[in-house]
Amino acid sequence: QVQLVESGGGVVQPGGSLRLSCAASGFTFSSYGMHWVRQAPGKGLEWVAFIRYDGSNKYYADSVKGRFTISRDNSKNTLYLQMNSLRAEDTAVYYCAKDPALDPWGQGTLVTVSS
Amino acid sequence: DIQMTQSPSAMSASVGDRVTITCRASQGISNYLAWFQQKPGKVPKRLIYASSSLQSGVPSRFSGSGSGTEFTLTISSLQPEDFATYYCLQHNSYPWTFGQGTKVEIK
Repeated sequence: QVQLVESGGGVVQPGGSLRLSCAASGFTFSSYGMHWVRQAPGKGLEWVAFIRYDGSNKYYADSVKGRFTISRDNSKNTLYLQMNSLRAEDTAVYYCAKDPALDPWGQGTLVTVSS
Repeated sequence: DIQMTQSPSAMSASVGDRVTITCRASQGISNYLAWFQQKPGKVPKRLIYASSSLQSGVPSRFSGSGSGTEFTLTISSLQPEDFATYYCLQHNSYPWTFGQGTKVEIK
């Protein structure tokens, strides 16, 4: 079955960087677009970014544009999210999810931005 | 960007009640609307896609309807395991946007 496993979360200072990974299995990763979605503690869901199956198109939420970069390595069945210039408001659980329309999701990885 | 307005933000209901949650899009999104359920501490789970298509394995008491700007999620007879927070998502155009969520609590 489809499995998505995120990693790379942790505590980082404001202005710092972090790279998240999402290891995919159980489907032909190179044939599907992939998304990142986040959820701040006690808050709702926020879509963050999308990358096309071949990496040719990428889209971002306004809140992360210019700071976050989504990428993928189809040879490793892995999705990435490079997060730079992190702010306190980026503190959240970050989920990867498969296209179309976000099904299924990984278990999430917590990113905490704090000094 | 397309704004999704979900209502109500919270509600209390009893087992067996019929529950309706509404999502309104700030502009037309055809049927590119999905519904998700999230229980505390758990990963969101998709219930409905393409406005009215039931995800495999989801009980038939869940249904979705609507097109354009008005959408509805209905639970025909609320069960104990349905107490959760529900979100709509428009996936018509980027950036995708979620509704703010509806928390369904036990009355």
